[in-house]
Amino acid sequence: SQKIEQNSEALNIQEGKTATLTCNYTNYSPAYLQWYRQDPGRGPVFLLLIRENEKEKRKERLKVTFDTTLKQSLFHITASQPADSATYLCAPSSGGSNYKLTFGKGTLLTVNP
Amino acid sequence: NAGVTQTPKFQVLKTGQSMTLQCAQDMNHNSMYWYRQDPGMGLRLIYYSASEGTTDKGEVPNGYNVSRLNKREFSLRLESAAPSQTSVYFCASTERLATTEAFFGQGTRLTVV
Repeated sequence: SQKIEQNSEALNIQEGKTATLTCNYTNYSPAYLQWYRQDPGRGPVFLLLIRENEKEKRKERLKVTFDTTLKQSLFHITASQPADSATYLCAPSSGGSNYKLTFGKGTLLTVNP
Repeated sequence: NAGVTQTPKFQVLKTGQSMTLQCAQDMNHNSMYWYRQDPGMGLRLIYYSASEGTTDKGEVPNGYNVSRLNKREFSLRLESAAPSQTSVYFCASTERLATTEAFFGQGTRLTVV
């Protein structure tokens, strides 16, 4: 069956450092991969979408890579700030007529001042 | 522009009671989703609706029913609530498919005693 694994349940880093979060998937070949941020008590908020042919995508301090050979996406936050502390979720999805949107369990990132 | 609105925000039910969680979106999106989120389990897909008039089971559909009332509204019904259904429920919508940005509601915190 399809599986999405976000390797770290929790990640603690120092302010100013780069945070790197991992999303691995097995038993399918997504054409797209999305990343979301979720704050306590709130619904997830979309951050970035990367397509299988894009390899890397950036938005301000965020960078996402997508390696279809390794079946892995990496999510980087550079110059991290305490305000970046949240849970980050990945959601790989197939192309075509796929309507199912499923998520990894998420990684709780804490940025310490 | 309200986005995705869920009602109620909080609810306490007794075992065996029934209730309907309401979700409405005002973005003219075609696809809508219901998730539950439990500690350590991440977001799990209950049911989804690719378009008006269609619904499909997700990962954890047992004990739930859904209705896609029209393009705007997608409701989730618990016919006979059980303590195992204590959770936070999120509704989401996408323009179409699982390859476009999802917008989430603020969640419904349900406790079954």
